[in-house]
Amino acid sequence: QQQVKQSPQSLIVQKGGISIINCAYENTAFDYFPWYQQFPGKGPALLIAIRPDVSEKKEGRFTISFNKSAKQFSLHIMDSQPGDSATYFCAASNSGGSNYKLTFGKGTLLTVNP
Amino acid sequence: NAGVMQNPRHLVRRRGQEARLRCSPMKGHSHVYWYRQLPEEGLKFMVYLQKENIIDESGMPKERFSAEFPKEGPSILRIQQVVRGDSAAYFCASSRLAGSSYNEQFFGPGTRLTVL
Repeated sequence: QQQVKQSPQSLIVQKGGISIINCAYENTAFDYFPWYQQFPGKGPALLIAIRPDVSEKKEGRFTISFNKSAKQFSLHIMDSQPGDSATYFCAASNSGGSNYKLTFGKGTLLTVNP
Repeated sequence: NAGVMQNPRHLVRRRGQEARLRCSPMKGHSHVYWYRQLPEEGLKFMVYLQKENIIDESGMPKERFSAEFPKEGPSILRIQQVVRGDSAAYFCASSRLAGSSYNEQFFGPGTRLTVL
């Protein structure tokens, strides 16, 4: 059972364009939604995260949009740069209990062409 | 301000040998998580530990895999009698406190295990 579904699997964007990655979740107990960026051979790096009490969070060129009723959230990368080329993972967890394990999507390989 | 440290970064084992992966959490972090990443796949949760306690091992295979986080020293993920299907990248993450409003998990660089 895949609890977090991520799309697209891969994405090619021109420099300066907007990259959009979508995720949908099933478990309504999830209340923390981070995005991670991973470069080849490296560990995932926390990029930005959101909780369901807000519908949008922006940090620099990165924005998370959250739709609680649809159980969907998305990452928008504005003015995409070649240095943004990486694999992006969405994730979710339930912070209400005592276990904060993350459930990840399968990832999106983003390529930004110069 | 060191981040999460993992060693070794690369580990090669022959079938049947033991693999021992180490993780030192960030300073001030008392929660450790292990995840496994297969090629072209996302990260899968394996086990969640606090000092001297296993909190959740629901993602661990029932046999050959074990984990510990002793009072002193790093967390250890041990894989006994490795098989080719164990080849993967193993990531450790740490977070700060139980009950914190945000479960920010910070990942180490990973250990890439290759089983010949």
